[in-house]
Amino acid sequence: SQTIHQWPATLVQPVGSPLSLECTVEGTSNPNLYWYRQAAGRGLQLLFYSVGIGQISSEVPQNLSASRPQDRQFILSSKKLLLSDSGFYLCAWSRNNEQFFGPGTRLTVL
Amino acid sequence: GQQVMQIPQYQHVQEGEDFTTYCNSSTTLSNIQWYKQRPGGHPVFLIQLVKSGEVKKQKRLTFQFGEAKKNSSLHITATQTTDVGTYFCAAPDSWGKLQFGAGTQVVVTP
Repeated sequence: SQTIHQWPATLVQPVGSPLSLECTVEGTSNPNLYWYRQAAGRGLQLLFYSVGIGQISSEVPQNLSASRPQDRQFILSSKKLLLSDSGFYLCAWSRNNEQFFGPGTRLTVL
Repeated sequence: GQQVMQIPQYQHVQEGEDFTTYCNSSTTLSNIQWYKQRPGGHPVFLIQLVKSGEVKKQKRLTFQFGEAKKNSSLHITATQTTDVGTYFCAAPDSWGKLQFGAGTQVVVTP
């Protein structure tokens, strides 16, 4: 069966610090991978998606970046965090249109 | 680009009552999906509707896809406290990426 992991589960970072969130998928090969952000009490905003290693598409301009160094690894990064980067970050993979979400990382930027 | 509008944003329901949440699009949708996110959790896929006028049931949940494939609804009968959470509809855009509605946050009063 397929599983998706994210870490860390929670993170508190000061403004201006770097960020690295990791997502890995097990049990499937060449998945489409996605990063979403969800502000408190809000909907899901698609940030990045990837159809293969090294292939990243950005949905919105921001100070975040994504990388896919391996088939089942998706990383979300920032060089300098902003207060507005706070939120719930969700990684997902898709199969037949259905999306499977990871447990998420709750990021608080202070 | 395509947007899916979801109403209401909030729904307070007395335990045992019924309620409906709606999802509307200005464009014809190839399919529509519904997800549920429990408080503090991640979205979980509930169902996908593909055919015009399609109706699917999952226990107390009834999902409908409009005849014109531009709207959908989720109806819950005899609401229980386990129904608490945020319900999202989502539809793929022309590039196949899922666009999520803003969600309906459901609060159940015992």
